[in-house]
Amino acid sequence: GIQVEQSPPDLILQEGANSTLRCNFSDSVNNLQWFHQNPWGQLINLFYIPSGTKQNGRLSATTVATERYSLLYISSSQTTDSGVYFCAVSSQGGSEKLVFGKGTKLTVNP
Amino acid sequence: DSGVTQTPKHLITATGQRVTLRCSPRSGDLSVYWYQQSLDQGLQFLIQYYNGEERAKGNILERFSAQQFPDLHSELNLSSLELGDSALYFCASSVDRGKGTGELFFGEGSRLTVL
Repeated sequence: GIQVEQSPPDLILQEGANSTLRCNFSDSVNNLQWFHQNPWGQLINLFYIPSGTKQNGRLSATTVATERYSLLYISSSQTTDSGVYFCAVSSQGGSEKLVFGKGTKLTVNP
Repeated sequence: DSGVTQTPKHLITATGQRVTLRCSPRSGDLSVYWYQQSLDQGLQFLIQYYNGEERAKGNILERFSAQQFPDLHSELNLSSLELGDSALYFCASSVDRGKGTGELFFGEGSRLTVL
């Protein structure tokens, strides 16, 4: 099945810093989503982005489907951005389930 | 609020017991997915239903079963529980435009603790 690799596994920032999280995948995809899991365990939808670029406030994401990667940018980070960021994909021609990466654990210190 | 409702939010039970987790999808969504999140296995896909029919199966144990009812809510039944079944169980739903292109929305999860 499709493989999803996220990097870095852990990231520690000072408030106000910018960061880039990466997601590599091993096959063509027809669905790619970024999620934020907060300290209470909730999975929050950030972006539905099988291709192209989207922005939502301080967050933006880019997926280059032909090169099989996606990037999540966080600017001017805040302590509330802490948590785990997951990339999840479903492969073209495969089943419709989302396959999750192992996540990037982000800690933003005041 | 994603619009996906899961109950109960927390559940503590003993080994050997059986529990049922319930999920109500977003209004209009036909597909329901179940995922398990444990510390050592990450987020694992268990099973998907579409309009009452099983659509895809993942790493779901034989002790676990699920169904989707005519009103589209779904239940995940976990039986003969073991310590290792302790995990966060998520339900997700999507409108399912076909070929896996629908955006998934997740409920808040049901945290199961088996003692």
